[in-house]
Amino acid sequence: QVQLQQWGAGLLKPSETLSLTCAVFGGSFSGYQWTWIRQSPGKGLEWIGEIHHSGSTNYNPSLKSRVTISVDTSKNQFSLKLSSVTAADTAVYYCARGSWVVRGVVITNLDYWGQGALVTVSS
Amino acid sequence: EIVLTQSPGALSLSPGERATLSCRASQSVSRNYLAWFQQRPGQAPRRLIYGASNRATGIPDRFSGSGSGTDFTLTISRLEPEDFAVYYCQQYGSSPITFGQGTRLEI
Repeated sequence: QVQLQQWGAGLLKPSETLSLTCAVFGGSFSGYQWTWIRQSPGKGLEWIGEIHHSGSTNYNPSLKSRVTISVDTSKNQFSLKLSSVTAADTAVYYCARGSWVVRGVVITNLDYWGQGALVTVSS
Repeated sequence: EIVLTQSPGALSLSPGERATLSCRASQSVSRNYLAWFQQRPGQAPRRLIYGASNRATGIPDRFSGSGSGTDFTLTISRLEPEDFAVYYCQQYGSSPITFGQGTRLEI
């Protein structure tokens, strides 16, 4: 059974950098896109970006200038950094297992999620 | 960016009834890479359907997905009490990945 466990600072001041890490237990770490998604209070879901186990990344253009996603394959972990946060970045942040592509076909997508972490930005 | 519009925004039904949720895309979803998720309060979303019509592992057969191109539907044939939640569609055929705004299914 695949499990994703995430952690990081829950309270930030404006202009600080958000930092979250997600550890993957069970299943294969290789071959997948590892994804970050957020959900603002009372609102819908927003895809932040993803990283392949090889290290290649893909970010949402709306956040690209502030986002860095990295991977540590030795620990089966991946991390999110979001710089210069404001109150608008207050949200529950989820890590998730993203796409697995075989010969150009997406076999699966967002099938396992972390428990979510509430990050509040307030002065 | 593909914009997904879900309708209705909220749906009030009773257990045992049939629910039909709609998701319309602003442009064709590549290879029908469209998924549906259920989210209960305080929980992470749970994938129900992928590839527009494939039920995810462990999902009851009362959940079904259909559609192609720009119009997709999630149908719950006979509502159970635990089905009352928020439902989101999501496209993963083009970047950035996008979600609909959700349909709240209420008792």
